[in-house]
Amino acid sequence: EAAVTQSPRNKVTVTGGNVTLSCRQTNSHNYMYWYRQDTGHGLRLIHYSYGAGNLQIGDVPDGYKATRTTQEDFFLLLELASPSQTSLYFCASSDRDNANTGQLYFGEGSKLTVL
Amino acid sequence: GDSVTQTEGLVTLTKGLPVMLNCTYQTTYSPFLFWYVQHLNEAPKLLLKSSTDNKRTEHQGFYATLHKSSSSFHLQKSSVQLSDSALYFCALLSSGSWQLIFGSGTQLTVMP
Repeated sequence: EAAVTQSPRNKVTVTGGNVTLSCRQTNSHNYMYWYRQDTGHGLRLIHYSYGAGNLQIGDVPDGYKATRTTQEDFFLLLELASPSQTSLYFCASSDRDNANTGQLYFGEGSKLTVL
Repeated sequence: GDSVTQTEGLVTLTKGLPVMLNCTYQTTYSPFLFWYVQHLNEAPKLLLKSSTDNKRTEHQGFYATLHKSSSSFHLQKSSVQLSDSALYFCALLSSGSWQLIFGSGTQLTVMP
């Protein structure tokens, strides 16, 4: 089973604060994703990456930056956090073949609260 | 653009009854459909994925059939159990973008 680890699991910050969410996968997957989950909206794609140094924009990128430093590590950055970014964030990964078959492996989630 | 619609936000059933969770989609490309399940405080996991048009796929007692004629991929189970209580997401992998598009989810609650 693919392993995806996120940290922190819970984070509280204030409006205007700086937040970094970390994700590491240990399965040599090429593709990594950041989603946010909100009631009534399902899972929405923020950013994704095909490999180290690559970054692609998802469906709801405003207010977020991301960086893929290695094949294993994918970071989501909120430089000026706003209350609208209060959400549950999931990182996911898939290998080259599974990216074409929809098999994503999700981390346990990071709950972010912006006061 | 591509989209997925799940019409029921909440479904509550008694154990042992059948269930059908609706999923319809829109895309101009060849569709690949998936159902993901998320139990409370857990990560979403793949439950099953579509096969060819009009062919049923099954996993863990759940089944679904891709119907391109009606753009649907409804999830069904003949007899729900307490452990089936979870959030269910339908997702579309468009061959145009090769990204998963998720529906808004259906919360299934099974009562004793």
